[in-house]
Amino acid sequence: QKEVEQDPGPLSVPEGAIVSLNCTYSNSAFQYFMWYRQYSRKGPELLMYTYSSGNKEDGRFTAQVDKSSKYISLFIRDSQPSDSATYLCAMTYSGGGADGLTFGKGTHLIIQP
Amino acid sequence: DAGITQSPRHKVTETGTPVTLRCHQTENHRYMYWYRQDPGHGLRLIHYSYGVKDTDKGEVSDGYSVSRSKTEDFLLTLESATSSQTSVYFCATTGTSDNEQFFGPGTRLTVL
Repeated sequence: QKEVEQDPGPLSVPEGAIVSLNCTYSNSAFQYFMWYRQYSRKGPELLMYTYSSGNKEDGRFTAQVDKSSKYISLFIRDSQPSDSATYLCAMTYSGGGADGLTFGKGTHLIIQP
Repeated sequence: DAGITQSPRHKVTETGTPVTLRCHQTENHRYMYWYRQDPGHGLRLIHYSYGVKDTDKGEVSDGYSVSRSKTEDFLLTLESATSSQTSVYFCATTGTSDNEQFFGPGTRLTVL
């Protein structure tokens, strides 16, 4: 079983819809959780960063972490065609930068105009 | 933007040849990382560095070596490239928080 599971999609939704992207993980030692957006042939861009359980909101994006269920989510409100990209979840164990990130395989999101 | 550049951006090489990829950062961050991205596998950590001359292995380090002689540069070397090392390579550094990682634009490597 891979440590981080993420549905590859594609997920296609109409413009203006609320998008829900999810990851599950198996290792309860993960404490820091991130969401990245990656456009085709570009580097991953950090969208959201959260520590432990709870919600974090930034503009149209909300990240949610449920450590008891080992489940993280990213919600995108009022989705735009420019949100079309691959979304990667990532996580790491402890603070201090000494751990690399463990990534999901990414979900390909398409926002239809 | 963590001020990361990677060179070259694209490279085609032949099996058995040595290849060195360079990552350069302008923000003086302590941690630097090399990842590879492959279809069906996502991003995987190759090596990382926590300071000048301080490096450690990641998940997929076999066939790769790294060096960091200056804070701003982190080199990834394929001593003898194989076709299985055809991939997109990304460098990353931490930001103001050591738990956030920011990625460079990537190097697309093809080994024939």
